[in-house]
Amino acid sequence: KAGVTQTPRYLIKTRGQQVTLSCSPISGHRSVSWYQQTPGQGLQFLFEYFSETQRNKGNFPGRFSGRQFSNSRSEMNVSTLELGDSALYLCASSLVSDRGFYEQYFGPGTRLTVT
Amino acid sequence: GNSVTQMEGPVTLSEEAFLTINCTYTATGYPSLFWYVQYPGEGLQLLLKATKADDKGSNKGFEATYRKETTSFHLEKGSVQVSDSAVYFCALSDPGNNAGNMLTFGGGTRLMVKP
Repeated sequence: KAGVTQTPRYLIKTRGQQVTLSCSPISGHRSVSWYQQTPGQGLQFLFEYFSETQRNKGNFPGRFSGRQFSNSRSEMNVSTLELGDSALYLCASSLVSDRGFYEQYFGPGTRLTVT
Repeated sequence: GNSVTQMEGPVTLSEEAFLTINCTYTATGYPSLFWYVQYPGEGLQLLLKATKADDKGSNKGFEATYRKETTSFHLEKGSVQVSDSAVYFCALSDPGNNAGNMLTFGGGTRLMVKP
């Protein structure tokens, strides 16, 4: 079974631009979560999507948004990029959970550099 | 809110040494606890998990016991190998707190094993 895939793997953008990152979950997984990893702040939860609806959101400004499509693929968008948005963005997919926790499988991440 | 604290690294050991990485947590509900490992240039891999008090998670020689009385989930391995060199993250999920699949991570501990 193919793992979680993220595209692109590396991205360089200029301050003020916007960027869209893509995540394809493992087949059959309907929950997709996004995390930001930086040396200073560590791993921080951005948001989770399930059945095309945002179910949870972390403490990030409105410049960070996401969506999920009917095939469970997800995208996240960052508008008006700032230097501090430089990070590794990780996507994770899991089976459905209304309660309880199902193991999350992480993709390799997208390394975003803002100059 | 929920939080995870783990010992800062780097932890440098010789091959075949005993490993302990401390992890303590704060949670409002009854969390599940996890250890994830991140190898250079890769995403996160689930190493082991425990879903209730006194559970012991184990995998690839690593072990951790869910201690509710001390709110701890320390990672141990009896004999480390060079190939264990990576960054280790302790994490919790508290779905009963309406947090869905959200993971709260500790800051990570870098392990370096010398031959």
